[in-house]
Amino acid sequence: GQQVMQIPQYQHVQEGEDFTTYCNSSTTLSNIQWYKQRPGGHPVFLIQLVKSGEVKKQKRLTFQFGEAKKNSSLHITATQTTDVGTYFCAEGGYNKLIFGAGTRLAVHP
Amino acid sequence: NAGVTQTPKFRILKIGQSMTLQCTQDMNHNYMYWYRQDPGMGLKLIYYSVGAGITDKGEVPNGYNVSRSTTEDFPLRLELAAPSQTSVYFCASSYSDYSTTDTQYFGPGTRLTVL
Repeated sequence: GQQVMQIPQYQHVQEGEDFTTYCNSSTTLSNIQWYKQRPGGHPVFLIQLVKSGEVKKQKRLTFQFGEAKKNSSLHITATQTTDVGTYFCAEGGYNKLIFGAGTRLAVHP
Repeated sequence: NAGVTQTPKFRILKIGQSMTLQCTQDMNHNYMYWYRQDPGMGLKLIYYSVGAGITDKGEVPNGYNVSRSTTEDFPLRLELAAPSQTSVYFCASSYSDYSTTDTQYFGPGTRLTVL
């Protein structure tokens, strides 16, 4: 069964509002990757987190890996219409990734 | 580099027909993967390969077959198409040193409808 749970499944925000998606696991994760999929497109790698408590930033995106390595979050500050899409977390294990179900973000101008 | 390419982009099959989805990568990646994505859902791993001649089942392998005769190519075969196989199929590749999971690069996908 699925090993990483993502919440929320769907969120719509007004342009300029912040957005956060969470990825949770009942077991310790070796690493976590985040991908973005635009509507009609394919998943594109955003970032990988490996260390406990790690925080990485990419412009308006902030990624965190929990201290216990059982959860992760992606926060977008001041959303723009270009942020629309589905954000997936993926648990990186030996040989393969296990993807969460994704959080679909809609941004209203 | 073209990255990961998939053909065809779209296909409609009748129940019981067979087809092969093609996937090629030019990044010399050792790992390759096939996923399916049902509408509004996440990615489910069908099969993967850690190198030429080596394949293994993923989460949802039933109804599919794969082969990996070269590093570059990883075709996915549907033998007897069923409506439940209507989905978008993504191929992906990555380079791994066998100790950890590396970034996956995805192809544009094949949209398959089985009627």
